[in-house]
Amino acid sequence: EAGVVQSPRYKIIEKKQPVAFWCNPISGHNTLYWYRQNLGQGPELLIRYENEEAVDDSQLPKDRFSAERLKGVDSTLKIQPAELGDSAVYLCASRQGGSAYEQYFGPGTRLTVT
Amino acid sequence: AQSVTQLGSHVSVSEGALVLLRCNYSSSVPPYLFWYVQYPNQGLQLLLKYTSAATLVKGINGFEAEFKKSETSFHLTKPSAHMSDAAEYFCAVSERNQGGKLIFGQGTELSVKP
Repeated sequence: EAGVVQSPRYKIIEKKQPVAFWCNPISGHNTLYWYRQNLGQGPELLIRYENEEAVDDSQLPKDRFSAERLKGVDSTLKIQPAELGDSAVYLCASRQGGSAYEQYFGPGTRLTVT
Repeated sequence: AQSVTQLGSHVSVSEGALVLLRCNYSSSVPPYLFWYVQYPNQGLQLLLKYTSAATLVKGINGFEAEFKKSETSFHLTKPSAHMSDAAEYFCAVSERNQGGKLIFGQGTELSVKP
């Protein structure tokens, strides 16, 4: 079974430029998460999807971040415009079932904003 | 708000020695508890989880953790460290009925000396 797929793996952009990250969750996983992991810290949730609906986006900086999950499968996270402080690893995870079930993480996209 | 504290940002042990990584959480209701491992430039991999069954949980690669409600702790142990155990370890909690949102600790980097 294929795991969570993310692309690109690495991205370097200049500040004020836009950037987008893509995630393909494990087949059949209805719940999808985007996390941001700053250097030396644990991941922090940005947004959670149940199928195509964003049910928890309270920690998503909506002035510059947006996300979508069309047809309840793949998801895209966008930043426009990027700031220096956005440099981090962006992780996608998916889960099937209730809260007791584990989340499966992708390898992440390492974003560097110069 | 729920929080997770991992004591010690860096732990160093000799190969063959006991591994003990500490995790304390803050919650009046026992949450679901997880330990994840992260190797360089990779996503997070689940080691083990506690979901209110047995308080001593066995995971992959010889790791285990014990849930102690009275101490609000979920420490991770392994009797004998191996060089391949060197990685970053994250403790995480998920409150029941919160959609599986994970709150992570800051992480503990484990080094294994030959």
